[in-house]
Amino acid sequence: AQKVTQAQTEISVVEKEDVTLDCVYETRDTTYYLFWYKQPPSGELVFLIRRNSFDEQNEISGRYSWNFQKSTSSFNFTITASQVVDSAVYFCALSESQGAQKLVFGQGTRLTINP
Amino acid sequence: NAGVTQTPKFQVLKTGQSMTLQCAQDMNHEYMSWYRQDPGMGLRLIHYSVGAGITDQGEVPNGYNVSRSTTEDFPLRLLSAAPSQTSVYFCASSYPTGSSEQFFGPGTRLTVL
Repeated sequence: AQKVTQAQTEISVVEKEDVTLDCVYETRDTTYYLFWYKQPPSGELVFLIRRNSFDEQNEISGRYSWNFQKSTSSFNFTITASQVVDSAVYFCALSESQGAQKLVFGQGTRLTINP
Repeated sequence: NAGVTQTPKFQVLKTGQSMTLQCAQDMNHEYMSWYRQDPGMGLRLIHYSVGAGITDQGEVPNGYNVSRSTTEDFPLRLLSAAPSQTSVYFCASSYPTGSSEQFFGPGTRLTVL
């Protein structure tokens, strides 16, 4: 069975600090997809990134970067120079490659950026 | 495009009452799903559909029914609400590949007394 673990329930940092959100996954599929979603206080779910299991290149988008390591089954998310607007709950999720797309979510990490 | 819409945004039910949570999308997505979000548990899949007339159970289907008569609509029915069904419900839609991003609706906050 697929499983996603976000061991950090809550993180609180001061603005401008760098912060890394951890995500560890389990799957028997050789082809799978990993996602990060952001849920701001308003409650909607915002897509951040998708990565397939064959692409281990790290990705950077502005202050956001993602580190995918198949060897450790991890897909960590780093925010550089955090801002108050980054305060949200962040979810890591996993989907299988075949058939319907059924996301398996981690428990989420609540990130609070203090001014 | 309105994207994925859900109604109502808030609902309070008494135990034993029934209701239908509505979900519609205007992106012509084949895949649609229902998730529930509970504190500390992330989102869990209730039911999903790969096209009109085809539905299947997810991780937590008990107490919920779905049907998919059109591509656009995917209602979730609670036949006899229970306090354990107090949650935030999200509908999502996507193209029919595992790599596709799921587009989520704004959510329905349901309280069962």
